[in-house]
Order: sequence, then C-alpha cells, then structure tokens
Amino acid sequence: SSELTQDPAVSVALGQTVRITCQGDSLRSCYASWYQQKPGQAPVLVVFGKNNRPSGIPDRFSGSSSGSTASLTITGAQAEDEAEYYCHSRDSSTNHLMFGGGTKLTVL
Amino acid sequence: QVQLVESGGGLVKSGGSLRLSCAASGFAFSDFYMTWIRQAPGKGLEWLSYIDGTGSTIYYADSVKGRFAISRDNARNSLYLQINILGAEDTAVYYCARSHPYYYDSDGYSPVVDYWGQGTLVTVSS
Repeated sequence: SSELTQDPAVSVALGQTVRITCQGDSLRSCYASWYQQKPGQAPVLVVFGKNNRPSGIPDRFSGSSSGSTASLTITGAQAEDEAEYYCHSRDSSTNHLMFGGGTKLTVL
Repeated sequence: QVQLVESGGGLVKSGGSLRLSCAASGFAFSDFYMTWIRQAPGKGLEWLSYIDGTGSTIYYADSVKGRFAISRDNARNSLYLQINILGAEDTAVYYCARSHPYYYDSDGYSPVVDYWGQGTLVTVSS
C-alpha cells in the first residue's frame, strides 16, 4: 500500500513527552521525514533520516523507526510546538512520494 | 539564503488551465530536484510531482497524471506547473519546494523536502 497513516489528533500537557506515529509499508525501506506546519504558514522540516534535525530545530524533537512505523517524539513539549505534523516517505517500487494525513498536536 | 517564490495562482473557471511559476534563488538550482505539493483548504499535504535537475526524470501522483505537467528552466532558475482541465478539487495552495527524494546517508534512505515557498492559492469556480 502506498499510504501513510497518522492519528488525526494528539494532545500533551505542557512540558511532557508526546509521540506522533506514522504507519505505512514504504517505511520498511526508508526513513520518514517530519514537518511542522502552523496555521497560515508553509511546512518546516523538523526531523529526517534515522534521527537528524536541520539547523535551528530544537533537540527536543527526535525521530525513530521500527518496521513499518515511524515516530516523531517531542520531549518536553512547549506551547509553540502546537501545530500540525506530517510524515513524508517514498514508495521504493514506484518512486512516488507521499505524505501522511497529518496529526494536530494540542499542548494543554 | 534559499528563496522560493511562487506565482500564477488566482481565480480560474472550471475546465480552464493555469501555469504556476516558482522563482528560485540562493542555491545552485540545476543541481537539485524540485517538487510541487498542494494543500486544499483545511486538508493535508498532497505530493503532486517532482523533477530532477536536468528535467529528464519526472514523476507524477496518479491523481494528477495526464492533467499536470512539471517543467523547469535552469537558465531562469524557474520551476513550472501546467494545470489543465481544472476542477473544484484543484482548489488549493500550491507549494514549490526543493526536494531530495533519494536522500541517502550511512543509515539509509529518507526523502526530504528542505525548503518550501510560501505557496500560491488557486481557486476554481464553477
């Protein structure tokens, strides 16, 4: 299947840890990358590869993967982390790219 | 710094056509894959198409293949998306992005979109 499945919504208390997951067969052959999108703004890359962060992304963001599931973990969530998060992958058989449906993170 | 600026969006009648443009600056444009991604109002991200640095390798999402055409002009540092037979389902913000579909490091593959434009809104009216 060339789809990525994410939970539509997740919430976390301020300062606590939250994990956002992404499931799909394509993740068995490549790592997901993760994007944060705030209302009215373009997405921003936050994690890619096994567990890499672009310059300027806080180290509270981390990535992991197991089988067909990729995860984005925010350790010590801050109010400014409230946003939509998308995973991204490539189908190795078709070379088509894809995004998950997005997870809306609420910081309580 | 890397900049991607889309243009060409607007209000278009159903059945019409549109050509979106993306002006790139701040990097060696011809060295990079480029990608178009859209987002319908209140919806998620949808990958549409990508093109390699020379323009010789192109892929389309099944949902737009045959109606959309991606191209680039490396002399003008510009990326384009021709959209034909527009329908209501094409109403969206269209993003131009710098992409690495085959990013690979010692740990393995991971497709990456590292820079995004601010998007151009296409609204299709009946």
